[in-house]
Amino acid sequence: KQEVTQIPAALSVPEGENLVLNCSFTDSAIYNLQWFRQDPGKGLTSLLLIQSSQREQTSGRLNASLDKSSGRSTLYIAASQPGDSATYLCADGNDYKLSFGAGTTVTVRA
Amino acid sequence: NAGVTQTPKFQVLKTGQSMTLQCAQDMNHNSMYWYRQDPGMGLRLIYYSASEGTTDKGEVPNGYNVSRLNKREFSLRLESAAPSQTSVYFCASSDRFNYGYTFGSGTRLTVV
Repeated sequence: KQEVTQIPAALSVPEGENLVLNCSFTDSAIYNLQWFRQDPGKGLTSLLLIQSSQREQTSGRLNASLDKSSGRSTLYIAASQPGDSATYLCADGNDYKLSFGAGTTVTVRA
Repeated sequence: NAGVTQTPKFQVLKTGQSMTLQCAQDMNHNSMYWYRQDPGMGLRLIYYSASEGTTDKGEVPNGYNVSRLNKREFSLRLESAAPSQTSVYFCASSDRFNYGYTFGSGTRLTVV
């Protein structure tokens, strides 16, 4: 059974600091690795998707890397802003479904 | 606005009552999914429909049934609600199976 872990569960940083969010998964036979953002009381918004053949994806201030051999993905958010405060979830696409981590809740202090 | 629409947004049920959660997408996506989200546990897949006319069980299907009514609509039914089904339910769709998800805003269900 695929397990996805996100540590830490919560993170607080001052505005302007770079954010590093970690995701680890147990089964390296994944199709893709996806990062989502969830605002309180809202649904999930897709941020980045990395195919299993790729090493990283970038969108604006966001960069996500994938290392299948070590079972890790990292989401980098450059120059954090208060608007980046949210819960970030990673999920690995394996077989017919996404397996989600429990998320890292980020607070960016102004 | 294009996307995934879920109804209702909030619901309180008594133990043993039944209800259907509705989901519709207007993006012409082939695949649709139902997830539940519980505190500290991430999202878990209840049922999915890889394409119109097919449905399959996910991780936690017990106590639920689904219907893929047409390409746009995928409903989730609780036949006899239990307190353990108190959760936030999300519907999602994707164009290709397991690729590029769009999520609805969720239904908060409380069973008392």
